[in-house]
Amino acid sequence: GAGVSQSPRYKVTKRGQDVALRCDPISGHVSLYWYRQALGQGPEFLTYFNYEAQQDKSGLPNDRFSAERPEGSISTLTIQRTEQRDSAMYRCASSLARAREETQYFGPGTRLLVL
Amino acid sequence: GNSVTQMEGPVTLSEEAFLTINCTYTATGYPSLFWYVQYPGEGLQLLLKATKADDKGSNKGFEATYRKETTSFHLEKGSVQVSDSAVYFCGTSSYDKVIFGPGTSLSVIP
Repeated sequence: GAGVSQSPRYKVTKRGQDVALRCDPISGHVSLYWYRQALGQGPEFLTYFNYEAQQDKSGLPNDRFSAERPEGSISTLTIQRTEQRDSAMYRCASSLARAREETQYFGPGTRLLVL
Repeated sequence: GNSVTQMEGPVTLSEEAFLTINCTYTATGYPSLFWYVQYPGEGLQLLLKATKADDKGSNKGFEATYRKETTSFHLEKGSVQVSDSAVYFCGTSSYDKVIFGPGTSLSVIP
């Protein structure tokens, strides 16, 4: 079946603009996660959802970052007033259930470049 | 909170050599432990996992054993192939989110 998809795959924007990154999880997956990965580093947790409820947003760097999953499926990560330090790969993952042993399935990522 | 320390790379090996990538963790409770792999140009995918102490995860010739006494989850493979060239990430999850290490880049040369 289809895996996790993300769009756009690449986004170049100017400093100060808002961007919206989309994640479409595997059908039927309850939990959805957002990570940010800098070059040469491991993915860093941003936030996650269980169905439509945002359970943990402790990893969001500041209030310019927000995420939603209004119908418990597709999620959008929005970055307002982008800054150059926001440039990174943004990865989405989904899992069948909310449990420590569940495998997370990752999408291909969105590479964001802020000029 | 949870954290992961992982062997620094890059690691370069000849084909058929033995591979060990060290990983140690700190975590509260009873974490699950993971190894994810990222092949060039691709996203992360699960390589193997272990959910309780003394469990051994294995896949594609790779193995790792959950050692609670040493808080370790070292990745091993007896004979690497060129196709194993990738970045390997160790991760721990106590509840929900996965905390990843910085990754270890492996290059296998013929």
